[in-house]
Amino acid sequence: GENVEQHPSTLSVQEGDSAVIKCTYSDSASNYFPWYKQELGKRPQLIIDIRSNVGEKKDQRIAVTLNKTAKHFSLHITETQPEDSAVYFCAASTGGATNKLIFGTGTLLAVQP
Amino acid sequence: DTEVTQTPKHLVMGMTNKKSLKCEQHMGHRAMYWYKQKAKKPPELMFVYSYEKLSINESVPSRFSPECPNSSLLNLHLHALQPEDSALYLCASSFRTSGGPGGGELFFGEGSRLTVL
Repeated sequence: GENVEQHPSTLSVQEGDSAVIKCTYSDSASNYFPWYKQELGKRPQLIIDIRSNVGEKKDQRIAVTLNKTAKHFSLHITETQPEDSAVYFCAASTGGATNKLIFGTGTLLAVQP
Repeated sequence: DTEVTQTPKHLVMGMTNKKSLKCEQHMGHRAMYWYKQKAKKPPELMFVYSYEKLSINESVPSRFSPECPNSSLLNLHLHALQPEDSALYLCASSFRTSGGPGGGELFFGEGSRLTVL
């Protein structure tokens, strides 16, 4: 079945630096790739998503890139701030009839002031 | 209204109890989901309802019984749970199941934190 690998599992950066989180997926039929941010004790919230017909998408300090050939996608956060500290999950949709989201294992991002 | 509302926020139950978790959304979404999340782990899909019909059951034990009374409501009935079932149970909804045009974004509720003694 579909598998989504996510790296690194933890990431510590200084405020103002950039952070990059990478995911790889296995199902070539996947066509939707969201990123969720989950603060401690809170619900996961969508921060950005990308579809397979697009290579890159940007929203202010956050960007996502997708390489369909290599089956990997990445989250880029620039000018990090302490409020960016959270767990980030990537996800990929399965193809075919089941059409569900498979989540990566998560990355704990700590932004040091 | 872009909220998914879950009740109760916290639930403690014994292994012989019967309880229910409730979820409500008024965004007109036609897909609703139950996820289970353990500490420091990703959400794990349990059930998917599409247009009020159960479309996916991820081989969940029968002690968890989902119900979708109408397009806005989703319940999860709990019976004879085990201590290892203690977790955060997240309800989510989307316009339609993920992957389809315009259907992808999942809106999560705040979750019901379940403790089984």
